[in-house]
Amino acid sequence: AQSVAQPEDQVNVAEGNPLTVKCTYSVSGNPYLFWYVQYPNRGLQFLLKYITGDNLVKGSYGFEAEFNKSQTSFHLKKPSALVSDSALYFCAAPPGDTGRRALTFGSGTRLQVQP
Amino acid sequence: DVKVTQSSRYLVKRTGEKVFLECVQDMDHENMFWYRQDPGLGLRLIYFSYDVKMKEKGDIPEGYSVSREKKERFSLILESASTNQTSMYLCASSLGQGIPIQYFGAGTRLSVL
Repeated sequence: AQSVAQPEDQVNVAEGNPLTVKCTYSVSGNPYLFWYVQYPNRGLQFLLKYITGDNLVKGSYGFEAEFNKSQTSFHLKKPSALVSDSALYFCAAPPGDTGRRALTFGSGTRLQVQP
Repeated sequence: DVKVTQSSRYLVKRTGEKVFLECVQDMDHENMFWYRQDPGLGLRLIYFSYDVKMKEKGDIPEGYSVSREKKERFSLILESASTNQTSMYLCASSLGQGIPIQYFGAGTRLSVL
């Protein structure tokens, strides 16, 4: 089975600075990993996914994520944060059960970008 | 653009009431999901469906049931609402094959008094 963990409840960063939102995973076999973002009073929106291939995955809104097999991590990054990036971010993975097509989500990390 | 529409943004119900949450998607997706979102717990899967009239229990199905009579519509039913079911409910849909992207509705914030 696959599971993900987000060790930080909140991340604060100043506008213009690089940001990192952390995610670690526990899987058997090849991992499939996702990042979603939730803006206030909205549903979740897909940002990016890792299936296989390049360890650096590029996604929407200038975000990217780095897959690191040795550290079992899939951290979300952006070179220069915007105030509008303030939102709730979720890491996710399929649970790995046969026939289960849902996703298992981390607990979420709230990103606050200060002007 | 995929659109997943949840019928209500906010609902207030009383303990013991039967509650229906409706979700409709317009992209002919095979899979549909109901999640519950609580602070610090992320999203937890209540039920999912991979075809019309088919359903599978998720991680927290107790106190809930679902109905999928048409491909585009997936309903979540709280048979007898309780205060511990006060939460944000999110519906999602995805294609049937591989490891597809899930598309989410805006959510229904349910308060049970």
